[in-house]
This record gives sequence, structure tokens and C-alpha cells, in this order.
Amino acid sequence: QSALTQPPSVSGSPGQSVTISCTGTSSDVGSYNRVSWYQQPPGTAPKLMIYEVSNRPSGVPDRFSGSKSGNTASLTISGLQAEDEADYYCSSYTSSSTWVFGGGTKLTVL
Amino acid sequence: EVQLVESGGGLVQPGGSLRLSCAASEFTFSSYAMSWVRQAPGKGLEWVSAISGSGVSTYYADSVKGRFTISRDNSKNTLYLQMNSLRAEDTAVYYCAKHRTRSKDAFDIWGQGTMVTVSS
Repeated sequence: QSALTQPPSVSGSPGQSVTISCTGTSSDVGSYNRVSWYQQPPGTAPKLMIYEVSNRPSGVPDRFSGSKSGNTASLTISGLQAEDEADYYCSSYTSSSTWVFGGGTKLTVL
Repeated sequence: EVQLVESGGGLVQPGGSLRLSCAASEFTFSSYAMSWVRQAPGKGLEWVSAISGSGVSTYYADSVKGRFTISRDNSKNTLYLQMNSLRAEDTAVYYCAKHRTRSKDAFDIWGQGTMVTVSS
């Protein structure tokens, strides 16, 4: 199972919006609404930010939103804040009953 | 507070074995699927294995199939990962993660991780 494809890095200024893409295949992202996104600041464990493409767990700010079109999912962070600086990973359930992660995207808040 | 605490990591020689444990608290452990996810130093996340709440169904990444075994003891609220025939490329922080419900659901709670180093 190949990793999902994410851009290595994105950046934005405080208050701006950024979007991180996550491209898979018809065997994972394209077939299931089981795409999730995780935030991982340096030296910490990942934190669930979005599940089932576009749902936010309790406590996650509504500045974080998710979407999907075909084999590509996206995470959008609006109103960027310094505390959003972290690595972000997408993940998808697959037709093999396994999970696959993206390579990760480093978000820099300028 | 819902919590997962991993233990059992350490330094092991190539070809050796190690068993990781993950102690769960403050939720009905047997009702939730659980997974192990690893992260090599400076690298991204890699899903390793999952197990259903009952323990009947197990799933593995191709990279560990036949070498690693996931199990759980619901009476002790503990998840395990038995790792045999370890290789240098298995060196990573190993996280246990709780699924929202079933093994096809997202990982909503993560432990702090335990480091496994495979080296001679």
C-alpha cells in the first residue's frame, strides 16, 4: 500500500488561509469517506482534527475544515494562528481493511 | 480523562523480539478497536496493525505481516504488540491509538509513544 501524497510544506501569514491536499487512489480516498487529518506539533503525539472527510471532533476550532473530490482530500485552515504551526497528516481506510497515511505536510506560520 | 500509556520499548538487536504494551483507562476498552502506528525518526506516520474490540479480527501492514502479532486482554484493559524478527527499519516511536469505534474509524485518542531501537 503506497502512502498518500501530500505537499512537503505549506506556509501562510497569520489570518490567512491555507489548504493541504492529500491524493490517494480509487482503493482508498476515492472509495471511502474514511479520510481523517491529524496535527502533530514537534515532539508530541498526533491529534485528530478531522474525521470522515469533514467532521470535527469536539474541541477542534471551526477554522479547520475538510473536503474531498474524487481521489483527493483537502484540509483547509482559515484564520491562521501561530499555534497552528505543526506537521499535518492525512489518513484513509483502504479496500484491504488497512489504513494508509500521507507523508506529512509541515505548516509554517510566517 | 481517557488515556493510553505505552511501555516496553527499548534497544534490541536485529533478529530479536520485543513486546509492547498499551494500558487504557477511563473508557470501555472492549468496545473499541485499537491500532498501533509507528513513526521512524524524522519520518511520517505508518499504520502497523489493528484489532477489533473483541480481539477476533486482526489486520496488519504488509511490512510487518508474519513478524508482528497484535493482541488484547480486555480484562486488563491492555493492548499488546509482539514484535519478532526485528529489523533496523523497525526502529521508530510506536504509538497505540484508539479508533472512534470500529477499525475502519479514525484514531481519536493516542498514547505518548514508546521508542523501539533495533541496532547491534
